[in-house]
Parts: sequence; structure tokens; C-alpha cells
Amino acid sequence: EIVLTQSPGTLSLYPGERATLSCRASQGVSGSYLAWYQQKPGQAPRLLIYGASKRATGIPDRFSGSGSGTDFTLTISRLEPEDFAVYYCQQFGSSPVTFGHGTRLEIK
Amino acid sequence: QVQLQESGPGLVKPSETLPLTCTVSGDSITNYYWSWIRQSPGKGLEWVGHIIYNGNTYYNPSLMSRVTMLLDTSKNQFSLKLSSVTAADTAVYYCARMRSTWYHYDYWGQGTLVTVSS
Repeated sequence: EIVLTQSPGTLSLYPGERATLSCRASQGVSGSYLAWYQQKPGQAPRLLIYGASKRATGIPDRFSGSGSGTDFTLTISRLEPEDFAVYYCQQFGSSPVTFGHGTRLEIK
Repeated sequence: QVQLQESGPGLVKPSETLPLTCTVSGDSITNYYWSWIRQSPGKGLEWVGHIIYNGNTYYNPSLMSRVTMLLDTSKNQFSLKLSSVTAADTAVYYCARMRSTWYHYDYWGQGTLVTVSS
């Protein structure tokens, strides 16, 4: 199975700063079938990015995704207070579906 | 608006079977892939498996021997049964819809906490 390693585990930033989150796959993710989700306490994950770089409906354009193969990045250009949460990447380039262990984005 | 709602017991005894149902509204279940994903307290997300519109199932290899998923098109529901549960199966269980283009989850249920304890 493809193991997704997210880094850093925790990222501490101020509102207004830029956040760069990494997701590295143990083998290439075919078709760039890589998605990013945001999860806040007590809530289900929310889709942000699919196909590595396509923003989901209703997601602000400060969120962007990039990458292919084994290296993917989620960038939040200018952090808003509501962006502090846990972020997960997920792949289904090959079975089984796997998720990364998450990056916690916290207010500095 | 598509909505998913999990239902089932909040407490299951060790060695018994955990039964959950997901009711889908706002779209037909005869499209897409329908998944169960779980999250142990304070942990990350784990894919349990999915069932697709033709009834074919795909399970996480680590759980395969204990998982059964079914589709009920008459009720627009799909279900999960996880047998021989232990405390390690205590988790919030989410049902979610996977798009077969780009293979991502666009709709999720709110999740239901299932505790395994005697």
C-alpha cells in the first residue's frame, strides 16, 4: 500500500502568514489522485483540493495544491483564523485508499 | 443538497458485531463509491472499505476478514458490519461519498462514535 507521510507534524504560524504543508508518498500516486482535507474538532473532514491541484466547490482561493508523483504540497497563502485545524492528504492512485497522519496547524 | 447520516449503536461488546447504516439523501446511491472511514480517538483517518454502485466491495486488507458492506437501493442506504470487535475498534465511524472521477470524498456524514466495551 502507498504510505503518505505528512510534514511537519505541527506547524505554528501567525494569522496572515503563508502555510506550506507537505505530503510525500512511498511510491508514485498514479493519475495525481491526491486530495487534501481540513478537519476541525468534532467535525467531519472537509474536502479542499482534489486531483492534486483542483479546488473544491466553495473553497477560498487562498488554498492551493500542487505536485505530482510522490511529492505534493498544500499552500495557504494568507492564514485566516478559521484555517487553524488539522489537514490530511489522501490517495487512491492504487488500492487501498490511504490517508496521511495529518498536519496540525496551530496559532502561534 | 447531498446529505449522509450514520446510525447504529453507540456501544458494542467485545467479540460482537458492530452494525452501522448510512442513509443518503439528495442523490441516488446507484452512482459513486460509498465508503466507511474511521478515526480512533485523537488519531488519524483509516479507510475501512467501500462499496460501489454495482455492489462490488473493496476492503482494507487489515480488516478484510471481519468486514461486510451491503447496498440497499430501495432505501438509498448502505451498511457496514464489523465482526469480532475489540477495544481497538473504538472510533468515530464516518460514511462518505467518493467521486469516481479523481477519487476524492466530497460528502461526509457527521460521524458516529462507537465504543467497544463490556
